[in-house]
Amino acid sequence: DIQMTQSPSTLSASVGDRVTITCRASQRISNWLAWYQQKPGKAPKLLIYRASTLESGVPSRFSGSGSGTEFTLTISSLQPDDFATYYCQHFNTHSFGQGTKVEIK
Amino acid sequence: QARLVQSGAEVKKPGASVKVSCKASEYRFTGFYLHWVRQAPGQGLEWMGWINPDNGDTDFAQKFQGRVAMTRDTSINTGYMELTTLTSDDTAIYYCARECGGRAFDFWGQGTMVSVSS
Repeated sequence: DIQMTQSPSTLSASVGDRVTITCRASQRISNWLAWYQQKPGKAPKLLIYRASTLESGVPSRFSGSGSGTEFTLTISSLQPDDFATYYCQHFNTHSFGQGTKVEIK
Repeated sequence: QARLVQSGAEVKKPGASVKVSCKASEYRFTGFYLHWVRQAPGQGLEWMGWINPDNGDTDFAQKFQGRVAMTRDTSINTGYMELTTLTSDDTAIYYCARECGGRAFDFWGQGTMVSVSS
């Protein structure tokens, strides 16, 4: 089974900060990776698919990169609405990373 | 835009079964796989399986095989997930989600809380 590992588990940041979350796959997965945002009490929301393609309607401050086994989600300038938990997902096996909670510093 | 509306919260006793529904609207139901994902309290997302609403084909995570069924009724654009032999470990929010081919899960239901307690 392919395992998806995110780091860090928790990230403390301030509004305006540049934030980077990493997702590593235990095997090469090409670019079959998606990123989701989840806020408390809400369903996840798709942000990025195929590692770097921004879902329609998602602000351009979000970006994704990577291929093979290492991927990153970057928020260029953190906004108050961005404090949430972020998950990566290997799209072929549908397995999720354990999540990264972005907290207010 | 697409919409998925799930059935309401359930409370079950250990050993019982639960069946959650997911009604699709504003898109062609048979054109997109429907997935089920669960989230235990304070925990991450766990993929359970999918159903192809067009032909009823299914695939399940190994952890749930033998204990989960996914069905659909195309006449009312609704998918169902049934989980049997419930234990307290099955207490979670259960989500349905639409797979947009190659784009991951682009629309999600609002979630259904299933509580298992004696």
